[in-house]
Amino acid sequence: NAGVTQTPKFQVLKTGQSMTLQCAQDMNHNSMYWYRQDPGMGLRLIYYSASEGTTDKGEVPNGYNVSRLNKREFSLRLESAAPSQTSVYFCASTLGGQNNQPQHFGDGTRLSIL
Amino acid sequence: AQSVTQLGSHVSVSEGALVLLRCNYSSSVPPYLFWYVQYPNQGLQLLLKYTTGATLVKGINGFEAEFKKSETSFHLTKPSAHMSDAAEYFCAVSIPGGGNKLTFGTGTQLKVEL
Repeated sequence: NAGVTQTPKFQVLKTGQSMTLQCAQDMNHNSMYWYRQDPGMGLRLIYYSASEGTTDKGEVPNGYNVSRLNKREFSLRLESAAPSQTSVYFCASTLGGQNNQPQHFGDGTRLSIL
Repeated sequence: AQSVTQLGSHVSVSEGALVLLRCNYSSSVPPYLFWYVQYPNQGLQLLLKYTTGATLVKGINGFEAEFKKSETSFHLTKPSAHMSDAAEYFCAVSIPGGGNKLTFGTGTQLKVEL
C-alpha cells in the first residue's frame, strides 16, 4: 500500500544544475500537487494538476516546470537551480472533483542547492 | 483569497495536560478546513477535516476541532497530551470550486514534556 512515492529522498545540487523530482501515486487519484516547505512558512503550492492532461500554477511557480506524465505520475523540474530553491518538496494527491477530499502526501524530497 | 493564521509557532505542554492549537481562517465563502500532523522527516498526515454538518469534528489519536463561523476559528484540542503527540501541526483551508487546492498556515510545533 505505497500511496504517494517521491524520488529521490535527498539531493544536493550546484547552482545552475537541473533536475527532476519524481512523484507517483497508486490510489487512482485524479488531482496531484507539488508544494515546497520552508521553515516558518508552512507549505506553499508550486503547481498542481487537477486531472490528467492539465497543469496550473500555484502560489510560487517561478523557476519550476511540471509534467503530468499520466494519471499516476507528476514530475517537478528545476531547469537552473538557485540557492533560494533549497527546500523540502512534497507531492500530494487527491481524488479530485469535490473539495472535501483530503490530500495524501509523500514523504518529501530534501533538496539542497549550493 | 483565503488565508490561515496559526497563533503560536511553538507550544509546550506537560504530558497529561490539555492541548490547544489555534487556527483562524479568512475566506469569502464557507470553507473546508483541515488539520494535518507532520512527524520528523515524514510527510503530512490528515488528523481531521470539516466540510459541512456537525461543527465538532473528531479525528485520529484523540484530537478534535470545532468550527466556529462567528469567530472564523478551527482550533485543535486534545484532553490529555501524550509524548507521542510531539510533532508539527498544520491548519489548512480550501474553498468550494477551488480545485481542491490547500492554503496552509505556518504551522505549530508541539512539544510535550514529562
